[in-house]
Amino acid sequence: NAGVTQTPKFQVLKTGQSMTLQCAQDMNHNSMYWYRQDPGMGLRLIYYSASEGTTDKGEVPNGYNVSRLNKREFSLRLESAAPSQTSVYFCASRGFQGVVNTQYFGPGTRLTVL
Amino acid sequence: SQKIEQNSEALNIQEGKTATLTCNYTNYSPAYLQWYRQDPGRGPVFLLLIRENEKEKRKERLKVTFDTTLKQSLFHITASQPADSATYLCALDSTGGKLIFGQGTELSVKP
Repeated sequence: NAGVTQTPKFQVLKTGQSMTLQCAQDMNHNSMYWYRQDPGMGLRLIYYSASEGTTDKGEVPNGYNVSRLNKREFSLRLESAAPSQTSVYFCASRGFQGVVNTQYFGPGTRLTVL
Repeated sequence: SQKIEQNSEALNIQEGKTATLTCNYTNYSPAYLQWYRQDPGRGPVFLLLIRENEKEKRKERLKVTFDTTLKQSLFHITASQPADSATYLCALDSTGGKLIFGQGTELSVKP
């Protein structure tokens, strides 16, 4: 199992450019999440998808859109990037580890917006 | 609104000592609390979960306590090793399977 994979690993954008961050999981999990992590701020939830075909806003959704393409894939799109979106982005899926229902994280995408 | 805070200062300890990290929360009564480890340049990795009706949970050299009266969880690493150096995150459950994360505490174990 690859677990949760994310592409790209690094990206530099200019203000106003758009891009899509890709995330896939091979654990057959229903729920998937997108977070951003900034120094001193911890992980903040951008959007989540409780199941295929549904998406909901998290704590910081402004400037982002998401698509739950199928059960495996959950993408995050920046339509017009801004310097405030410079961050590390993590995708996660939720499932059981033994008897504990927890989240599994991808390796992250480091995004810089100039 | 729900708020969760961890030791803001980095924690530096000597190898072999016990590291104790604190997680405090307000305006919420979570059903459970989770602890994650995050190494530089990597995503968080789940370590332990403790439920509201559990006072303590152990896993090898790790111990977590949960005091719902104080609204606090303590995370202990006994006989610490340099390989334990990382950032440790606590997270509370929220509606819809979501988690609210603290900002993390960076632990450095010196040989």
